[in-house]
Amino acid sequence: GAGVSQSPSNKVTEKGKDVELRCDPISGHTALYWYRQRLGQGLEFLIYFQGNSAPDKSGLPSDRFSAERTGESVSTLTIQRTQQEDSAVYLCASSPRTAGRELFFGEGSRLTVL
Amino acid sequence: AQRVTQPEKLLSVFKGAPVELKCNYSYSGSPELFWYVQYSRQRLQLLLRHISRESIKGFTADLNKGETSFHLKKPFAQEEDSAMYYCALFNQAGTALIFGKGTTLSVSS
Repeated sequence: GAGVSQSPSNKVTEKGKDVELRCDPISGHTALYWYRQRLGQGLEFLIYFQGNSAPDKSGLPSDRFSAERTGESVSTLTIQRTQQEDSAVYLCASSPRTAGRELFFGEGSRLTVL
Repeated sequence: AQRVTQPEKLLSVFKGAPVELKCNYSYSGSPELFWYVQYSRQRLQLLLRHISRESIKGFTADLNKGETSFHLKKPFAQEEDSAMYYCALFNQAGTALIFGKGTTLSVSS
């Protein structure tokens, strides 16, 4: 009966390195979202997956960011050649395909780029 | 474009005082609006949604289309209400939940 699970919870990396963040949604949830939250800022939408439909990638800030999801399971968010401005908490959420569309959030992955 | 504005970054009130957290939005048509809350060391979670017209933990929010507002209200604040509150709405495509920058509510005795 676990909720949305994200790993790693904390990641410190050097500028220029690639990082991969993982999200395990709640079983049966067809929709999955990634958000970025910089210090003192609100949640910034990155990408949305819904089942096998084409994802909405409109929030990805640059081509260094990409995400994948296989079916209705795990998703990975990859940031290539990290920059200091990528430092943030990356939140994942999933939701069922029902009316009301409540999003269930993970605890986030805190990324620090030195 | 869809947008959510929460004008107050911080709202400090005394226990028992009324609370109103402001939210204004920009949307063409009928918006699907929510309030999410994040208590200290907890995950972001849904507080209430306008389509349910519900009251959760004493909080209510009414959609005012004329003023494009969805303010969150509670008549008597409690210390346990201290948290970060986010107003949010789905974009026209229904693919992204767009959040405001959030308001920190601090309730002291």
